[in-house]
Amino acid sequence: GESVGLHLPTLSVQEGDNSIINCAYSNSASDYFIWYKQESGKGPQFIIDIRSNMDKRQGQRVTVLLNKTVKHLSLQIAATQPGDSAVYFCAESAGGTSYGKLTFGQGTILTVHP
Amino acid sequence: DAGVTQSPTHLIKTRGQHVTLRCSPISGHKSVSWYQQVLGQGPQFIFQYYEKEERGRGNFPDRFSARQFPNYSSELNVNALLLGDSALYLCASSWVLDGSQTQYFGPGTRLLVL
Repeated sequence: GESVGLHLPTLSVQEGDNSIINCAYSNSASDYFIWYKQESGKGPQFIIDIRSNMDKRQGQRVTVLLNKTVKHLSLQIAATQPGDSAVYFCAESAGGTSYGKLTFGQGTILTVHP
Repeated sequence: DAGVTQSPTHLIKTRGQHVTLRCSPISGHKSVSWYQQVLGQGPQFIFQYYEKEERGRGNFPDRFSARQFPNYSSELNVNALLLGDSALYLCASSWVLDGSQTQYFGPGTRLLVL
């Protein structure tokens, strides 16, 4: 679950398209997952979360899908807008005795073209 | 309502010096966590505090220390600064000590060590 490397995956879409950002996690004990959006020079901003007893959760224009079998998480953004351009991180927590330690993924750079 | 606040926003230090970073959690939140984010990577967990006690620690040297005050604000101290300590230091707060509680991040303190 450690993020490594300086070259983040990138996703480039046109305004109005749907975007899908993927994340693989490694800790099978993780039971809580969060997606954060981070704009340049700012701290991560909470988007949506999901607990391991669910496989799908929807918010406003966003949907998170969790596949525990293959340890995969995805974030779907509907009708992507230029303001959605940012770096997106998934984070996982094992809960319980992990005391809320979040382990972040590598991050994906989303660029939305008008 | 005010979110998580951090001070200072930017800081420049030289090798060997020490630094103190400050964080005020969202009103009512009792847990504070600290993360280090190196350029191009996801945040890495440093500490979590709850009710003034350290409840979790990441893989960081003893040069890093922190504390939480009765009003739930927190300080992160780094001694004997190294060039590699240059990073964005993020504070996150959550309501209680629980791995499944959403953590909300502040804007961070950008530290540059020369």
